[in-house]
Amino acid sequence: DAKTTQPPSMDCAEGRAANLPCNHSTISGNEYVYWYRQIHSQGPQYIIHGLKNNETNEMASLIITEDRKSSTLILPHATLRDTAVYYCIVRVGGGNQGGKLIFGQGTELSVKP
Amino acid sequence: GAVVSQHPSRVICKSGTSVKIECRSLDFQATTMFWYRQFPKKSLMLMATSNEGSKATYEQGVEKDKFLINHASLTLSTLTVTSAHPEDSSFYICSAWTSTNEQFFGPGTRLTVL
Repeated sequence: DAKTTQPPSMDCAEGRAANLPCNHSTISGNEYVYWYRQIHSQGPQYIIHGLKNNETNEMASLIITEDRKSSTLILPHATLRDTAVYYCIVRVGGGNQGGKLIFGQGTELSVKP
Repeated sequence: GAVVSQHPSRVICKSGTSVKIECRSLDFQATTMFWYRQFPKKSLMLMATSNEGSKATYEQGVEKDKFLINHASLTLSTLTVTSAHPEDSSFYICSAWTSTNEQFFGPGTRLTVL
C-alpha cells in the first residue's frame, strides 16, 4: 500500500495561502491522491482528489508533481475556520466506487489571526 | 456534496450490552460502505468494508464477531458492537463512495461504554 508522509503541524496567518505538503513516493501509476480535513469531533470532510493533473475546486487546489511522488494542497485564503487536521491519502485499489482510504496521521493546521 | 448520515450521534450504554449504529447514504446509492473508528487524538482506523448483499470484509485485527456489519440495502449499513466493554468506547465513522469517485463521511457516532 502506498503510504503518505505529512508534517505533523503547520501554522498559517489568516488571509494568507496555506500550502500543505505530502510525500507519497511509493504511489503506483493508477492510484489517486485524496485530501480530507477533520475538525474536532466531526467526520472527515472531502476536499479534493487527483491522479496526475493539477486540480482546483471551490475549496482548494491540488498540485501533483510530474513524477507523482509528492503533492501540495493549497488553501488560497485561509480563514480561522480552516483550522483542522488535514489528511493526504492514497486510495488503495478499486475502480469506480471502490478502493479503501487508509488514513495516516495528517497535518494539524492552525490558522492564526 | 453527497450526504451520509449516522444515527445515533451519541450513545451511552452499560458494559455487556449491544449497540447498533446506522449509516445511511441520503441522496445516492452505495454498494460499498466503510466503517472506521477513532480514539482521542488519533487518526481514523479502518475497521471493515461493508458490501451490499454480501458479507463484510474486516481489516486485520478487527473481530468480526464483535463488530457485526449488515448492509441490507443500497442506502443503509449497520454496525453492531456486541457485548460492549469500556475499551470499545470510541468515535465510529462510516463512509461511502459516490459515482464521481468522492468518498463522503458521516458525522460520526460517539460511543461511551460504562
